[in-house]
Amino acid sequence: DGGITQSPKYLFRKEGQNVTLSCEQNLNHDAMYWYRQDPGQGLRLIYYSQIVNDFQKGDIAEGYSVSREKKESFPLTVTSAQKNPTAFYLCASSSFERNTDTQYFGPGTRLTVL
Amino acid sequence: SQKIEQNSEALNIQEGKTATLTCNYTNYSPAYLQWYRQDPGRGPVFLLLIRENEKEKRKERLKVTFDTTLKQSLFHITASQPADSATYLCALETSGTYKYIFGTGTRLKVLA
Repeated sequence: DGGITQSPKYLFRKEGQNVTLSCEQNLNHDAMYWYRQDPGQGLRLIYYSQIVNDFQKGDIAEGYSVSREKKESFPLTVTSAQKNPTAFYLCASSSFERNTDTQYFGPGTRLTVL
Repeated sequence: SQKIEQNSEALNIQEGKTATLTCNYTNYSPAYLQWYRQDPGRGPVFLLLIRENEKEKRKERLKVTFDTTLKQSLFHITASQPADSATYLCALETSGTYKYIFGTGTRLKVLA
């Protein structure tokens, strides 16, 4: 089955610790994205990548880091510099077919800072 | 900056009625607009895409309209069912950047 997976589904972190969220896709998509969703709010873009070994900051990149060493993988690290990391994190991918492009989302990771 | 607005209040309708959700945008002229469905605790799922030169798009019980003069898209679910209860998000891509902006979503509840 083609799709996008995220792990873990739930993640608990102590204050001051870094944590890495996994995102893998087998859709052969070039672009991958990380979003954060808080209760009652829309999706806010953290980072996105259009091609391997390249990525750009989104609207709320501070306190986060990413890498894109493989086309299939786009892990997100939430660092201790992120002041309010408790949220629902969504990874997505898309192809570059303009005007027909859609985003495919993973199931999400709910991060809670204790 | 680009901004998308959706009615943040929940919409409750009776089963069998038509649900209409609104998406307004400002400071932008998107080439296309998308609608997604999101269930609690899950990732959004793509429903429909409508291009700027299309006035209307249909898929089964779903219909989307796109008025570039009003800068508004309407999303209709006809013959609504309790299983249609979810949050519906609209999104547009900022031209040439492959970045997407999402609205806050409207929560729909279809009452049996």
